[in-house]
Amino acid sequence: QVQLVQSGAEVKKPGASVKVSCKASGYTFTSYGISWVRQAPGQGLEWMGWISGYNGNTNYAQNLQGRVTMTTDTSTSTAYMELRSLRFDDTAVYYCAKGGELRYFDYWGQGTLVTVSS
Amino acid sequence: EIVLTQSPGTLSLSPGERATLSCRASQSVSSSYLAWYQQKPGQAPRLLIYGASSRATGIPDRFSGSGSGTDFTLTISRLEPEDFAVYYCQQYGSSPGLTFGGGTKVEIK
Repeated sequence: QVQLVQSGAEVKKPGASVKVSCKASGYTFTSYGISWVRQAPGQGLEWMGWISGYNGNTNYAQNLQGRVTMTTDTSTSTAYMELRSLRFDDTAVYYCAKGGELRYFDYWGQGTLVTVSS
Repeated sequence: EIVLTQSPGTLSLSPGERATLSCRASQSVSSSYLAWYQQKPGQAPRLLIYGASSRATGIPDRFSGSGSGTDFTLTISRLEPEDFAVYYCQQYGSSPGLTFGGGTKVEIK
């Protein structure tokens, strides 16, 4: 069965960076993309970007350009999302999901809470 | 970027009633690349509908999606207790952004 297992909760100070991992299993990793979605406390879903599992091509949300980097390690079927220059309003649950451009998000990770606090 | 506007913000209904949720796009959603997700508190979203009207695996047939172009609808024919949740629409066909709507909360009346 398809599973996406994310790394654990993080607490960071403003200005720091965070890197969240998402280990996929149960499907051919290189056949699908991975998207990252975040949800601030009590708010809706915000798409952050997408990375191709096939060739590593990326497409980032405009408001995060320059602060976010998404990568994959096909040898371990793991996707990574790094967010830099963290601000208080980056506090959110971060999800990875199987899917992306032209593909709905049919499986989701359990979410990783990132708290930005001084 | 395509903006998705969901209405109403909150829908107060009783179990057994019919729920009709709307999602309106600021421009046409290509090839009906429109999905609906359900999210319960403390859980990740779950895919319900893709391609505007296709049910995802394991989704009961009381959930149905319709629409094309800029107007889409999610209908729950008879609300079960487990259906009270927040519902999001999403377009996944258009770069630069794959956007979500703001959500509709279906609450028990």
